[in-house]
Amino acid sequence: AQTVTQSQPEMSVQEAETVTLSCTYDTSENNYYLFWYKQPPSRQMILVIRQEAYKQQNATENRFSVNFQKAAKSFSLKISDSQLGDTAMYFCAPRNFGNEKLTFGTGTRLTIIP
Amino acid sequence: DVKVTQSSRYLVKRTGEKVFLECVQDMDHENMFWYRQDPGLGLRLIYFSYDVKMKEKGDIPEGYSVSREKKERFSLILESASTNQTSMYLCASSIYRDYTTYEQYFGPGTRLTVT
Repeated sequence: AQTVTQSQPEMSVQEAETVTLSCTYDTSENNYYLFWYKQPPSRQMILVIRQEAYKQQNATENRFSVNFQKAAKSFSLKISDSQLGDTAMYFCAPRNFGNEKLTFGTGTRLTIIP
Repeated sequence: DVKVTQSSRYLVKRTGEKVFLECVQDMDHENMFWYRQDPGLGLRLIYFSYDVKMKEKGDIPEGYSVSREKKERFSLILESASTNQTSMYLCASSIYRDYTTYEQYFGPGTRLTVT
């Protein structure tokens, strides 16, 4: 079974700053996907970004980017120019190729301070 | 847009009651999931279904059962609710096409309190 570690239970940054959320995982598989999900207060969980492990290039979605280091089994999320709407719980979740199940980390509660 | 809806946002039940949590998705997704979310524990998979009448246990199935009679609907059943089942319950669905599974889409959650 996979284990996922998000070592920062809570973080807070000033609006417009850059913040990096860390995630490490343990898997014996070579092919897998990695996801970051965001859960705003009292709102639905939504996908932020995904990365395929076979791709060397780090995924980017507007202000969100990842630093994927396969050998180190690390998958951090960088949020640039942070906005108040980025305040949320963030969950890292790997998924093995061919397996439907996600394994979630314990989450990081991010607060953007005006 | 994909829509995943859950029958209740808040639910209060008594110990020993049978509880049904309903989830409906409108995008013809093959896969549906039930998670519970607890502070400090993240999301843990209870059950998952990859087709009508098909189900597979997740990491914490004890005390729960599921039903999927129609593709769009996936029900979570607490046969005899207990206080340790007080939690937030999240439903999700995902599509499976071309031997690839895509992202999961989540419902708004049901906060269940068992007294």
